Amino acid sequence: KAGVTQTPRYLIKTRGQQVTLSCSPISGHRSVSWYQQTPGQGLQFLFEYFSETQRNKGNFPGRFSGRQFSNSRSEMNVSTLELGDSALYLCASSLLADLYNEQFFGPGTRLTVL
Amino acid sequence: AQRVTQPEKLLSVFKGAPVELKCNYSYSGSPELFWYVQYSRQRLQLLLRHISRESIKGFTADLNKGETSFHLKKPFAQEEDSAMYYCALSVTTDSWGKFQFGAGTQVVVTP
Repeated sequence: KAGVTQTPRYLIKTRGQQVTLSCSPISGHRSVSWYQQTPGQGLQFLFEYFSETQRNKGNFPGRFSGRQFSNSRSEMNVSTLELGDSALYLCASSLLADLYNEQFFGPGTRLTVL
Repeated sequence: AQRVTQPEKLLSVFKGAPVELKCNYSYSGSPELFWYVQYSRQRLQLLLRHISRESIKGFTADLNKGETSFHLKKPFAQEEDSAMYYCALSVTTDSWGKFQFGAGTQVVVTP
């Protein structure tokens, strides 16, 4: 079974631009979560989608948004990029969205904002 | 709100020595606890979870509800255990699960 895939793997943008990241979950998985990983803050939860609905959201500004499509693929968008948005963005999928579900992580998209 | 605390950013141990990674959580209900690991140049992956009560790669973790802790232990560290370890907590909100990770502990095992 193919793992979680994320595209692109690397991205360089300048301040003020916007960016869209894509995540394809493991086949059959309906829950997709997004995380921001930085050396200083570690893994911070952005949001989670299940069956095209955002069910949970972390403490990030409204510039960060996402969506999930009917095939469970998800996209994350960051508008008006700031230098501090430079990070590794991880996507994780799980079969369901209950308490015990293991999350399977993608390789991440490395975003650099200049 | 729930919180996961990993007090040690870096843990350096010698090969063959015991290793213990601390994890404390705050949550009023009954959470599910996990340990995830990220080896160099690999994806973040599940190491073990409380509900399974299993030992993976020699690691065990015991949930202590009184101390709200879920420390990860291994009696004899190996060089291949060098990695970043994250403690994670999952709680139900309106019957849905929600994940939160700790800041992580970098483990370095030296020969």
